[in-house]
Amino acid sequence: EVQLVESGGGLVQPGGSLRLSCEASGFTFSSNAVSWVRQAPGKGLEWVSGFSGSIGSGGNPYYADSVKGRFTISRDNSMNTLFLQMNSLRAEDTAVYYCAKPISGGQTAFDVWGRGTMVTVSS
Amino acid sequence: DIQMTQSPSTLSASVGDRVTITCRASQSISNWLAWYQQKPGKAPKLLIYKASSLENGVPSRFSGSGSGTDFTLTINSLQPDDFATYYCQQYTTYSLTFGQGTTVEIK
Repeated sequence: EVQLVESGGGLVQPGGSLRLSCEASGFTFSSNAVSWVRQAPGKGLEWVSGFSGSIGSGGNPYYADSVKGRFTISRDNSMNTLFLQMNSLRAEDTAVYYCAKPISGGQTAFDVWGRGTMVTVSS
Repeated sequence: DIQMTQSPSTLSASVGDRVTITCRASQSISNWLAWYQQKPGKAPKLLIYKASSLENGVPSRFSGSGSGTDFTLTINSLQPDDFATYYCQQYTTYSLTFGQGTTVEIK
């Protein structure tokens, strides 16, 4: 079964840091540009970060303007895990963070989603 | 960034109705558009990709059309399970962007 499981969310103070993980199973993780998508409470979906291009040996990371310079995406193909290092957190980063797998053929529409992990930024 | 605008924001409909949701891109995205359904507390579910391709397992009452900047999601004969929020998403270029969502509620 194709599955994504996020972890690492929690309560953090403004200005703090958090590292999210997304463990993948059931598909070839190294060949797929898994992304992070978030949803603030009661709000819509916002793409946060992902890789593009050739994934097996790298691929370029991309970020939404709202997180650029504060968040860093990385991956460990040996562990089938995607990470999101979040620094200088703000109240507006409060959201459920999902990781999502793109469909085959290089199209970044997402056919598999995790259940999400909640990040709350508050003092 | 490419802006995606959905209309309406909320739609009231009855079981059996035909429902249409529109999504407009701020610039041409060819047919690189997806539609998702989301229910409260759940992750989004992919319905349509490449503007009109039905994802495996999605009922055929869902259909998508359009290209360039204007797109449509149609639900024929609305079912009780279809009351949810729907999002469009462009994937022609990074940053990927979503529409603000359309909530289909029971009339």
